[in-house]
Amino acid sequence: AQKITQTQPGMFVQEKEAVTLDCTYDTSDPSYGLFWYKQPSSGEMIFLIYQGSYDQQNATEGRYSLNFQKARKSANLVISASQLGDSAMYFCAMRESPYRGSTLGRLYFGRGTQLTVWP
Amino acid sequence: DAGVIQSPRHEVTEMGQEVTLRCKPISGHDYLFWYRQTMMRGLELLIYFNNNVPIDDSGMPEDRFSAKMPNASFSTLKIQPSEPRDSAVYFCASSLTGLAYEQYFGPGTRLTVT
Repeated sequence: AQKITQTQPGMFVQEKEAVTLDCTYDTSDPSYGLFWYKQPSSGEMIFLIYQGSYDQQNATEGRYSLNFQKARKSANLVISASQLGDSAMYFCAMRESPYRGSTLGRLYFGRGTQLTVWP
Repeated sequence: DAGVIQSPRHEVTEMGQEVTLRCKPISGHDYLFWYRQTMMRGLELLIYFNNNVPIDDSGMPEDRFSAKMPNASFSTLKIQPSEPRDSAVYFCASSLTGLAYEQYFGPGTRLTVT
């Protein structure tokens, strides 16, 4: 089974509008971390935001927020006031408990969502 | 901090040649990861190390691929012999131990095998 599922291969949003990128995850660990990365066309991977499974509040970083719904196992990224520079591939990722055997340390990545912001 | 350093940034080689990709992780990070990214397969984890010891190499495609981490500040990924299907962007990343620590990615090496 896929650990991370991103069902939207591509999304389009008009500049200044908000957009939600979907991510669902699969784990039986009570302790885990969720990450979002951005990859612009230049190719670098940029960390955006982190949410811990025990965090009571949704994580926010500037225009980025994470809509964390634990019972539904979803961790959607919300970008407010989209800008042309937000056009990029966005990856959701998960790290399971650091105390679980050989998976210690690794991130499981989704296939990504290509976001295009148009003027 | 210089971040994760990879070299070369671009490599073009002929089929059958040996290719060596290099990575210097962020100082103090105890995890190092090698990824491959292609349009077809997306981002794949090839192998990762903890304190210079390989933890999981199940993502290494075949015996033509090998990775080493002789010390905490250097790792190599070698392909011998290279094939056109190895053409991809190869990323190195490093992180600290802990649930909340993000992985820091290098700029990647774009490999083209002709």
